[in-house]
Amino acid sequence: SQQGEEDPQALSIQEGENATMNCSYKTSINNLQWYRQNSGRGLVHLILIRSNEREKHSGRLRVTLDTSKKSSSLLITASRAADTASYFCATDGLVSGGSNYKLTFGKGTLLTVNP
Amino acid sequence: DAGITQSPRHKVTETGTPVTLRCHQTENHRYMYWYRQDPGHGLRLIHYSYGVKDTDKGEVSDGYSVSRSKTEDFLLTLESATSSQTSVYFCATRAGSYSYEQYFGPGTRLTVT
Repeated sequence: SQQGEEDPQALSIQEGENATMNCSYKTSINNLQWYRQNSGRGLVHLILIRSNEREKHSGRLRVTLDTSKKSSSLLITASRAADTASYFCATDGLVSGGSNYKLTFGKGTLLTVNP
Repeated sequence: DAGITQSPRHKVTETGTPVTLRCHQTENHRYMYWYRQDPGHGLRLIHYSYGVKDTDKGEVSDGYSVSRSKTEDFLLTLESATSSQTSVYFCATRAGSYSYEQYFGPGTRLTVT
């Protein structure tokens, strides 16, 4: 079953606008990560936020984490046409009954940035 | 791309035939993963490896087996391919226990007719 669920499923904005994507999850996590996938390509890691962090920045990316609400958001500021891609949140937690961690991905948000 | 290659990149095969997909990494990462990506499902973990000859099942492991005889190679085998295994398969690696980000290969598009 999916751990993370992104919202919205699709988002279309104009260049220069900000894009916000949300992720909700169900169980306790070690950290939460966001990945980007361009059409026909593999996923690329964007940013990681640990469970004891509330906000993190990387360039035009801002991620927040609210563990009490089991939710995260990814904000892309001043978007560009090149930001057009699918964005996935992934929760990192212990494998049930084991000592290894695994990522569980949501279904993704398709972001389209129009020139 | 952390030096991850997948082969083949595209494959069409018939129902009932065995298929092996290969993932090769050059970064000496400890962990390796196989995912499948399907519309409406996102990425789902098939199997993973936490060291040479150490593997475990993911959430959709039925019909798949894996092997890792050396650090750089992780093989995914479909013993008898079915149409439900038509998908895009991604390999990923992770450096070690305290490095949490994963690095993905370019994917293999498999079609089972």
